[in-house]
Amino acid sequence: KQEVTQIPAALSVPEGENLVLNCSFTDSAIYNLQWFRQDPGKGLTSLLLIQSSQREQTSGRLNASLDKSSGRSTLYIAASQPGDSATYLCAVIDNYGQNFVFGPGTRLSVLP
Amino acid sequence: ETGVTQSPTHLIKTRGQQVTLRCSSQSGHNTVSWYQQALGQGPQFIFQYYREEENGRGNFPPRFSGLQFPNYSSELNVNALELDDSALYLCASSLDGVAQHFGDGTRLSIL
Repeated sequence: KQEVTQIPAALSVPEGENLVLNCSFTDSAIYNLQWFRQDPGKGLTSLLLIQSSQREQTSGRLNASLDKSSGRSTLYIAASQPGDSATYLCAVIDNYGQNFVFGPGTRLSVLP
Repeated sequence: ETGVTQSPTHLIKTRGQQVTLRCSSQSGHNTVSWYQQALGQGPQFIFQYYREEENGRGNFPPRFSGLQFPNYSSELNVNALELDDSALYLCASSLDGVAQHFGDGTRLSIL
């Protein structure tokens, strides 16, 4: 059974810092991995999708890497801003493409 | 392009009642997945519908059931509501299960 964990559970940083959020998964037979952002009481906004054959994806100040063999992904946020404050979730989808298994999320607060 | 929309946004029910939640998928998407998100946790997969048929199910009892319609919209039905069913219910649509797009969810509270 696939299990996804995220470290740290919560993070509070001053504006401008570069951040690394970590995601680990137990079964390397994944189809893809996706990072999401969730604002309080809201749905999920997709940030980056990494297919199993890819090593990383970049969008603006965000960069996500994937190491399938070690069961790890990292989300790098450059020059953090207060508007980045949210919960960040990683999720893996299995090779049958049926469903996501989500981690518990990292709650990020960026202080002005 | 119309995104994923869910209704209602909030709902309050009592134990033992039944509830129906609705989801309109994004234009061009043929797959709908439903998730339950308890407070402070990641979403948990309930089930997925692909072209009107159930295409996978998570660890949820049979009182959680669903439908997908020819226009690919979907319903989630929950019977005999329990206090632990209080959660945010998220719907996600995709084309063939790839790159799911999520709605804003329905917040269900059970009293």
